[in-house]
Amino acid sequence: EDQVTQSPEALRLQEGESSSLNCSYTVSGLRGLFWYRQDPGKGPEFLFTLYSAGEEKEKERLKATLTKKESFLHITAPKPEDSATYLCAVQALNSGGYQKVTFGTGTKLQVIP
Amino acid sequence: DGGITQSPKYLFRKEGQNVTLSCEQNLNHDAMYWYRQDPGQGLRLIYYSQIVNDFQKGDIAEGYSVSREKKESFPLTVTSAQKNPTAFYLCASSPSTQEEETQYFGPGTRLLVL
Repeated sequence: EDQVTQSPEALRLQEGESSSLNCSYTVSGLRGLFWYRQDPGKGPEFLFTLYSAGEEKEKERLKATLTKKESFLHITAPKPEDSATYLCAVQALNSGGYQKVTFGTGTKLQVIP
Repeated sequence: DGGITQSPKYLFRKEGQNVTLSCEQNLNHDAMYWYRQDPGQGLRLIYYSQIVNDFQKGDIAEGYSVSREKKESFPLTVTSAQKNPTAFYLCASSPSTQEEETQYFGPGTRLLVL
């Protein structure tokens, strides 16, 4: 069974204090790994898709990287507006030919001014 | 603007009542999905549809039903058989389920039981 584990569950940073969120996964036949940002009471907002080990993508203060077993979301010099829950998800091809997506439980990030 | 809309934002269900959550997309995506989000749990797939007039059960389909009569619309009915319906419901769409395609989400509907 595909599994996605995100750590830490919660992270509190001072404004400007860089850090990383971890997403470790166990899946047969990874087709893609996704990062989303979710604000309270809202739907997840797409950030990145990574397809193969060694791939990196950046957007403003965020950088996502991928290895064969985990992905990191690096946050450089965060600001209070970066406070949100960050979700990781993996996509794999199951026996029925459907590209199943499995989500982690998220890391809740709080950035303090 | 292209996107996914869900309505209502909040929905209250009485005991024994069926309620329907609306999901509409104008992204011209073939695939649509319904997820349920509970505190401390990852998103769980309820139903998905790869094409009009076709849909498949996800991991937690019991107590739910869907239809896909139009490409743009994928309504979810929470039936009285769903004994624990209180949750945040998210609709998503993607260009196709046969490729490595990103899923895009709507704003969600919070369902509460009276």
